[in-house]
Amino acid sequence: DAGVIQSPRHEVTEMGQEVTLRCKPISGHDYLFWYRQTMMRGLELLIYFNNNVPIDDSGMPEDRFSAKMPNASFSTLKIQPSEPRDSAVYFCASRGSSNQPQHFGDGTRLSIL
Amino acid sequence: AQKVTQAQTEISVVEKEDVTLDCVYETRDTTYYLFWYKQPPSGELVFLIRRNSFDEQNEISGRYSWNFQKSTSSFNFTITASQVVDSAVYFCALSYMGKLIFGTGTRLQVFP
Repeated sequence: DAGVIQSPRHEVTEMGQEVTLRCKPISGHDYLFWYRQTMMRGLELLIYFNNNVPIDDSGMPEDRFSAKMPNASFSTLKIQPSEPRDSAVYFCASRGSSNQPQHFGDGTRLSIL
Repeated sequence: AQKVTQAQTEISVVEKEDVTLDCVYETRDTTYYLFWYKQPPSGELVFLIRRNSFDEQNEISGRYSWNFQKSTSSFNFTITASQVVDSAVYFCALSYMGKLIFGTGTRLQVFP
């Protein structure tokens, strides 16, 4: 079975550029989560969706960050404009209903120069 | 407030030693779930176990075992006869309102 698929695996870009991270959840999972991991702040939940609808975006750092889920098999996390402090590993995870475990993608390592 | 505490920041052991990773949680919910995840040096997050609040039986899976004690709000993880491949960061997590509250993780280093 295919797991959660994230792209790209690595992204290096200059400050001020737009960055788009992509995620394909496990088929049949109706919850999708975006996390950010840094040494300083650990694992932070940014936003999560249920049936393509954003449920909790309280972790989104600021207006430069936006996330969409246009259909059940695709989500994007966009940063515009990017800043060096956005450098982190971004994980996408999905799960089924009833407190099933979240399954994580391999992450996108983002470096903003 | 919901919270997960992993007080051990880093643990170092020599191969074949047993090691226990501590997890203490706080929640006002009567029904909840607890999880353990492993993050090896390659960086991915791997699900290890889920336990619901009604099931206090210990669980064993190979060299891994988990001890859930509601009375002390703890969900500890023991690796028996540790191996170098067990070196990773281990996260404990608590379910809350559809999402997971993660602890800060314990880095386990197993030396040959």
